Amino acid sequence: EVQLVESGGGLIPPGGSLTLSCATSGFIFKDYEMHWVRQAPGRGLEWLSYIRFSGSPIYYADSVKGRFTISRDNAKNSLTLQMNSLRAEDTAVYYCVREGLGSGSNPFDFWGQGTLVTVSS
Amino acid sequence: SYDLTQPPSLSVSPGQTANITCSGSNLGNKYASWYQQKPGQSPVLLIYRDTKRPSGIPEQFSGSNSGNTATLTINGAQAMDEADYYCQTWDSSIPIFGGGTRLTVL
Repeated sequence: EVQLVESGGGLIPPGGSLTLSCATSGFIFKDYEMHWVRQAPGRGLEWLSYIRFSGSPIYYADSVKGRFTISRDNAKNSLTLQMNSLRAEDTAVYYCVREGLGSGSNPFDFWGQGTLVTVSS
Repeated sequence: SYDLTQPPSLSVSPGQTANITCSGSNLGNKYASWYQQKPGQSPVLLIYRDTKRPSGIPEQFSGSNSGNTATLTINGAQAMDEADYYCQTWDSSIPIFGGGTRLTVL
């Protein structure tokens, strides 16, 4: 069974840093491209970042470019999102998402349960 | 930047067919996916590559994509289908989500 389990969310003051982790199991992690997607309270889905199965290339949404860093450890089957200079508008549930296999334009076939990040003083 | 537009809400009566649209420039030339998100839950993939259903997704869900519009069709909608529905495509290797449509069945 495919499992994506996020952790690391919490309450953080503006300007602070936080690291989110995603532990995966039930599939060959190193074969899959991975993403982070967030959802602000009462809002829609916002794609944040992508990392290829090899670790490169990496892409970011403009809203987090220069502040967030995605990485992966294929030996530990884990995905990480380092978040710096956090703002109130970063408050959201953060999802670890697996991209399905294929030749491109693949769907997001599995989502974690999400971890809530609240940026507030 | 590429945008996908969905109606914010749609209401149907039980047993009726719900058609949720997603509009984008020449969207028919791209692949569209659809996700269902029930309150307090994570999104679930419903349709991918315009028309395909993952295993375990009921046949009542179907998709189409042509011209500038992709459509998710829910046949015989029931109360359990009340959820937010999001379309998604790719533009220059970046995933794009629509704003979501809240389906109400009553």
